[in-house]
Amino acid sequence: DAEITQSPRHKITETGRQVTLACHQTWNHNNMFWYRQDLGHGLRLIHYSYGVQDTNKGEVSDGYSVSRSNTEDLPLTLESAASSQTSVYFCASSELAGALNTGELFFGEGSRLTVL
Amino acid sequence: AQKVTQAQTEISVVEKEDVTLDCVYETRDTTYYLFWYKQPPSGELVFLIRRNSFDEQNEISGRYSWNFQKSTSSFNFTITASQVVDSAVYFCALSGSIYNQGGKLIFGQGTELSVKP
Repeated sequence: DAEITQSPRHKITETGRQVTLACHQTWNHNNMFWYRQDLGHGLRLIHYSYGVQDTNKGEVSDGYSVSRSNTEDLPLTLESAASSQTSVYFCASSELAGALNTGELFFGEGSRLTVL
Repeated sequence: AQKVTQAQTEISVVEKEDVTLDCVYETRDTTYYLFWYKQPPSGELVFLIRRNSFDEQNEISGRYSWNFQKSTSSFNFTITASQVVDSAVYFCALSGSIYNQGGKLIFGQGTELSVKP
C-alpha cells in the first residue's frame, strides 16, 4: 500500500545544531507539505512543493529550509535549531491539482522534535 | 487572507450526548474547499470530510453530520450520541482554488473533545 513515512519519529537536539527531518511518500504525489503543530495554533504551514525542484515558503518558514530533488522525498532542515522550534512536525502529500483533486492531504505520523 | 477560527478550545461531554464543533472561515476566493480532520490521542491525522464551496448540502455519515452555511461562513460538525472513542482533537481546514493552491490547507486551532463514560 502507498504511504507516507517520517523519520525520526522522536528527536532531541541542542540549540544551534542542524537537524533534518525526512519525509518519504510512495503515493507518487506531486504536492508535498511540511506543517508544525503547536498547542493553540493548530497546524501551520512551513514549506511546500508542487513538484521536483519547486519549493515555496509557508506561513512560518523562518529558520527552515526544504529541497525537492525527486518526487518521493521532501526533507525539512533546521539550519540552527532554536528552542522555539520544539514542536510536532507533520509531512503531508496530495495529488496534483486538477479537475478531480480536492486537496485532501495524506499525513505522515509526525515527528516530535525537542530542542534543548 | 484566509483564516479558520475554531472558537471552542475544549469541550467535555458525557457519553451519548450530542455535541457540535464550530468552525468559521474567511476567504476571498469564490472556489474553495473545507475539511475536517480528527486527531485521536495516538497523534495521527484522520481525514473526515471535504466540502466544496458550491455544495451547501448538509452531509450525514453515521453519527457524524456537517452543516455548511456560506451566509455565515460556517462549517460546523455535529456528533450525535457521542462515544468515548470520539475523544480527539478536531481540526477544521480551508483550501483555496485547487488549481493554484492544491493541497495547501489553512487549519483552525483545533477543538479538543473529551467524551466521558
